[in-house]
Amino acid sequence: LAKTTQPISMDSYEGQEVNITCSHNNIATNDYITWYQQFPSQGPRFIIQGYKTKVTNEVASLFIPADRKSSTLSLPRVSLSDTAVYYCLVGAVGRGSTLGRLYFGRGTQLTVWP
Amino acid sequence: EAGVAQSPRYKIIEKRQSVAFWCNPISGHATLYWYQQILGQGPKLLIQFQNNGVVDDSQLPKDRFSAERLKGVDSTLKIQPAKLEDSAVYLCASSLGGQAYEQYFGPGTRLTVT
Repeated sequence: LAKTTQPISMDSYEGQEVNITCSHNNIATNDYITWYQQFPSQGPRFIIQGYKTKVTNEVASLFIPADRKSSTLSLPRVSLSDTAVYYCLVGAVGRGSTLGRLYFGRGTQLTVWP
Repeated sequence: EAGVAQSPRYKIIEKRQSVAFWCNPISGHATLYWYQQILGQGPKLLIQFQNNGVVDDSQLPKDRFSAERLKGVDSTLKIQPAKLEDSAVYLCASSLGGQAYEQYFGPGTRLTVT
């Protein structure tokens, strides 16, 4: 079971770039890295997923080094509405797969200040 | 596209009583999950269905929790009898395939056991 380690909390100011790093030393060959965001009183929401190198979408970038033992979620120019808990998960992609059951952990509480 | 629907949104019961939660996943999603999220912690997977079959229920307290997904669509999660430590938010999620596919979460049911 590929568990992850990430900071418990981070603080930032509006307009800054935020980088949240996650360690996953036991990541398996067929595991993907996925990040979710959760606001209070809501279910988690998918942000981004990647396997290696760099992935970018309209809300974030995901940087994965060659050894894949860590990953960094980058949020450009954060706003107050980005205040949330961010979870890093690793797990296998595959229909009906139970390989590397997803483990949410406690996540990182990001607080953005004005 | 309609999201994952859950009901009720809130429930207060006394210990030793029973309670049931309902979930309607996104149309066409074969995989359905139930998570338990205790305050301050990340979601913990209780059970995963692929269509109407159970794929993973290793973390489901089977002496008091049960779940079913008849006809491979809606699902119900039941607790009988409830304990104080069952107070949590119960989240339902669905995805097209296995766990590392993007999961779509419902709003959750907040259960308080007194």
